[in-house]
Amino acid sequence: AAGVIQSPRHLIKEKRETATLKCYPIPRHDTVYWYQQGPGQDPQFLISFYEKMQSDKGSIPDRFSAQQFSDYHSELNMSSLELGDSALYFCASSLVRGRRNTEAFFGQGTRLTVV
Amino acid sequence: AQSVTQLDSQVPVFEEAPVELRCNYSSSVSVYLFWYVQYPNQGLQLLLKYLSGSTLVKGINGFEAEFNKSQTSFHLRKPSVHISDTAEYFCAVAGGATNKLIFGTGTLLAVQP
Repeated sequence: AAGVIQSPRHLIKEKRETATLKCYPIPRHDTVYWYQQGPGQDPQFLISFYEKMQSDKGSIPDRFSAQQFSDYHSELNMSSLELGDSALYFCASSLVRGRRNTEAFFGQGTRLTVV
Repeated sequence: AQSVTQLDSQVPVFEEAPVELRCNYSSSVSVYLFWYVQYPNQGLQLLLKYLSGSTLVKGINGFEAEFNKSQTSFHLRKPSVHISDTAEYFCAVAGGATNKLIFGTGTLLAVQP
């Protein structure tokens, strides 16, 4: 079965550079979530999209932005990178429409290292 | 607001011994609970979930968890662990309109021979 695909798997950037992470949800899933997991930390919710509209926002820095496109893939754009942005970034997708409870399926994550 | 507390940051256990990883939740609405496992340098894999119905939930790899509403707990158990179970285990609660997950701080299960 198709899973959530994230690219790239690994990314190394310098301070003050920009980075774009991509997420391709499971086909027919209508919701995408982004999480950030720092070293030794639990995953923190950043932002979510339902049917291409932002549906919820967590602890996402103003330097970050995200969107979901017409084909339902999502991109997380990160500017003015700081050393503290080094983390594992997860994308998850689920089918929320018309359902009271759903399961989110996670991608393998993108490991971003800022040097 | 919803939250999850994992009281143990690390649980050392010998191979073939039973283990329990504790999770307590706080929620003012209907609660959906999950346990995820993360192996080193890997993504998050769903172990099991409680959405409704039977309070005893069985998952993959021989794990099970019991939803206890009166104690607001969702402890994870396995009767006999293997070396390969060594990993970080996250309890999570989902809810609200967006079903976003709120994770606990994780418990490192360290299985020793």
